[in-house]
This record gives sequence, C-alpha cells and structure tokens, in this order.
Amino acid sequence: QKEVEQNSGPLSVPEGAIASLNCTYSDRGSQSFFWYRQYSGKSPELIMSIYSNGDKEDGRFTAQLNKASQYVSLLIRDSQPSDSATYLCASPNRGNQGGKLIFGQGTELSVKP
Amino acid sequence: DAMVIQNPRYQVTQFGKPVTLSCSQTLNHNVMYWYQQKSSQAPKLLFHYYDKDFNNEADTPDNFQSRRPNTSFCFLDIRSPGLGDAAMYLCATSRGPTYEQYFGPGTRLTVT
Repeated sequence: QKEVEQNSGPLSVPEGAIASLNCTYSDRGSQSFFWYRQYSGKSPELIMSIYSNGDKEDGRFTAQLNKASQYVSLLIRDSQPSDSATYLCASPNRGNQGGKLIFGQGTELSVKP
Repeated sequence: DAMVIQNPRYQVTQFGKPVTLSCSQTLNHNVMYWYQQKSSQAPKLLFHYYDKDFNNEADTPDNFQSRRPNTSFCFLDIRSPGLGDAAMYLCATSRGPTYEQYFGPGTRLTVT
C-alpha cells in the first residue's frame, strides 16, 4: 500500500514565525507532490506543486523535495493567522490510470496572533 | 477565470431519496474526479473519468454512480442515500494522471 505520511499536529506557531510542515512517502518512484490548504468546511485549495528535487518558492511558501530521503516539506514564512488551516500533502498513485491522489492525514496549523 | 463549479453547494435529502450532484469545469481538463470527504478525514476517491473512460474504486458502494456526458460536465448520482453518506462531495479536475488536481467548492450533503 503506497502511503503518504504527515504529522497530524496541531502545529502552533506565533504570528510572523516560519511554519514547517513535513511529509514522507513510501513509493520511491513518485514524481509529483502537491500541497493543499483546507480551511474548515471548505474544499482543498492547491498552494504548491513540486516535481523536481530541491526548492520551489512562491511568495511566502517554499516547497522542498528530497527524493533520496522520500521527503517533502512546506515552509510558510511570516506566518499569518489567516494561514491557520489543515495542510494536506498528496501524490498521484502511479499505479492508477487517472492518478488517484494519495493524501497524508493532514497537518493542522494554528498561527497565534 | 477558469474554474471548477459544483451545484448545489448544500443539499438536504431524505433517507433513500435519490440525489444528483453536478460538477462543471472550464479548464478543459481530461480527467474529472469525485471524492467523498468526512469530518477530520482526507478526501476519499470514489471514481474518476479519464476522457470517456470510467474508473471505479474497488471500495465505492454500488449506491454511487457517475455520468460524464461531455468534457465539461460530470454528475454524481446517489441512488438511495443512507445516513452514512452524509459528507462533503468534492469534484476535481486534472490535465492528466501526474498533474495537479483542482477542486471545486464542494457540495455538503445532509441526509435526514
């Protein structure tokens, strides 16, 4: 069973700090990874995708991928209370024609003013 | 703006009364997905269409059916809703199997 693992949290950081969210995966051949943000009662919103080893930055968000260690992370700089949400790490299942997303359990982030 | 639209946003139905949820997309994506999400759980894939090819997950109950009459639209039919089917139903689209999936706003289904 291919898996994506996240710490469920909650992760609490003060406003203005860096929030670090981590994810590991079991399928060494996985090629693409996505981070979704989900507010309570809302649908998942794609905030970052990463396909290559290294870092990818978009505004306050940086995704990091280390394929050798099978590790994906999301850093949120200058965290704001509006960043408080559940963050889902996901990767498409390579064995599935349509690319079924394998989700981690989600990490709940709380940013305290 | 290109987007994924779901209707209705909230649906209340009675136990055993059929219900249809709809999804449309302006992204012209090949793949459309239906997920079920219950409180504090990750989304669970029910089925997907890759173009016209329908793919059912092995553990999706027979009570759930889907139709994709054209590239833009996809429907989820629940033939006889039970109390356990109360959930958020999410439609998502993607260019292809390894690409990002974009979710619609979801339909919150309540079964009374």
